[in-house]
Amino acid sequence: GAVVSQHPSWVICKSGTSVKIECRSLDFQATTMFWYRQFPKQSLMLMATSNEGSKATYEQGVEKDKFLINHASLTLSTLTVTSAHPEDSSFYICSARDQTAGWAGVGDTQYFGPGTRLTVL
Amino acid sequence: RKEVEQDPGPFNVPEGATVAFNCTYSNSASQSFFWYRQDCRKEPKLLMSVYSSGNEDGRFTAQLNRASQYISLLIRDSKLSDSATYLCVVKRDSSYKLIFGSGTRLLVRP
Repeated sequence: GAVVSQHPSWVICKSGTSVKIECRSLDFQATTMFWYRQFPKQSLMLMATSNEGSKATYEQGVEKDKFLINHASLTLSTLTVTSAHPEDSSFYICSARDQTAGWAGVGDTQYFGPGTRLTVL
Repeated sequence: RKEVEQDPGPFNVPEGATVAFNCTYSNSASQSFFWYRQDCRKEPKLLMSVYSSGNEDGRFTAQLNRASQYISLLIRDSKLSDSATYLCVVKRDSSYKLIFGSGTRLLVRP
């Protein structure tokens, strides 16, 4: 089955530093990847849609200058949390859509990475 | 109001029990519906898609009522390994975006 990896699986950093999280589709090509954030006991919230070769589309309320997304290849998207603060501490999860799945009709699914737990001190 | 609403639980049931989860969605343009399972500190994993005619996968049965904008998941003969958070997920019209409910936590005790 389709596999998505994330690196690192967890990271602890000091306030004010930047952290880069990688999301890779290991056995398929993904023109579209998604970045989610999940706070404890809350739902996954979509942050942005990452499109290969073009700018990401951010959801309302997500600061694009703070959460930098780069999708330079069909198998890799990165999320950089710039000038991280304690309130950015969260579980960041990416997902990837298999481009061979065609139009996003009924039954189209996304493959999720294992997540990255970010703790900002 | 959240676009996808679920009872947060937790539902604490004995092994072998039958348990039902409910979910409502507010966007009538939603086209696709799913149940995902999420274990503690793990990523969500697709449990099953939900079809208008209702569908069953082993001990799991999903139902969709478009008129009421209501989705359900029934788990029969609960196992200890069913303990997890169950997420109701909706996809809007022709977009790829998934909208997640906040999840219902299930605890199955021996």
